[in-house]
Amino acid sequence: QSVLTQPPSVSEAPRQRVTISCSGTSSNIGNKGVKWYQQLPGKAPKLLIYNDDLLPSGVSDRFSGSKSGTAASLAISGLQSEDEADYYCAAWDDSLNGVVFGGGTKLTVL
Amino acid sequence: EVQLVESGGGLVQPGGSLRLSCAASRFTFNNYWMTWVRQAPGKGPEWVASIKQDGSEKFYVDSVKGRFTISRDNAKKSLFLQMNSLRVEDTAIYYCARDGGGWAFDIWGQGTMVTVSS
Repeated sequence: QSVLTQPPSVSEAPRQRVTISCSGTSSNIGNKGVKWYQQLPGKAPKLLIYNDDLLPSGVSDRFSGSKSGTAASLAISGLQSEDEADYYCAAWDDSLNGVVFGGGTKLTVL
Repeated sequence: EVQLVESGGGLVQPGGSLRLSCAASRFTFNNYWMTWVRQAPGKGPEWVASIKQDGSEKFYVDSVKGRFTISRDNAKKSLFLQMNSLRVEDTAIYYCARDGGGWAFDIWGQGTMVTVSS
């Protein structure tokens, strides 16, 4: 049982837009910056979003992040087959004194 | 290219020990917090431990406290994870990662596999 809650899977057609949700509490998402990571099969995770909605250099602007209260979302527009991956949210948790990850969402591009 | 390369993984019996290493290149290692994250087969990532630039602060996930020790050698641009009293549930790929700020892990190594089994 992960501290941050994500849907196990989402799917959408190419060129469409999809959102992935991440639910937490006031100990983590509610007061700390949310990160999103993309993990392609057999690869290490890659940072997609930090501080709720900021993109690291080199990350496509098809990816965007948002947060409201204790919930965060990752949106991917103009879906491409290469976006098929597992996506994880993460944040520092003041109660646990450590970083917590969501359980992950598998994105399928139909 | 900025790079992290882990080594030291392998097969170990329950109760055994292992020391992981991570070599950093092409960035100023002593400017960054560094972190170990693990991922059990078929599961999501789990943060394990982090260490401050000068080694003066360390944080651990509860499940490894008292068994694992994170350390670093800034002169050698290296990060370490000493793992003692290993359990079957410690089986995972172990990644070292750079903290780009605010607990955002912006550079990851390729990972090293640790298998704890009799």
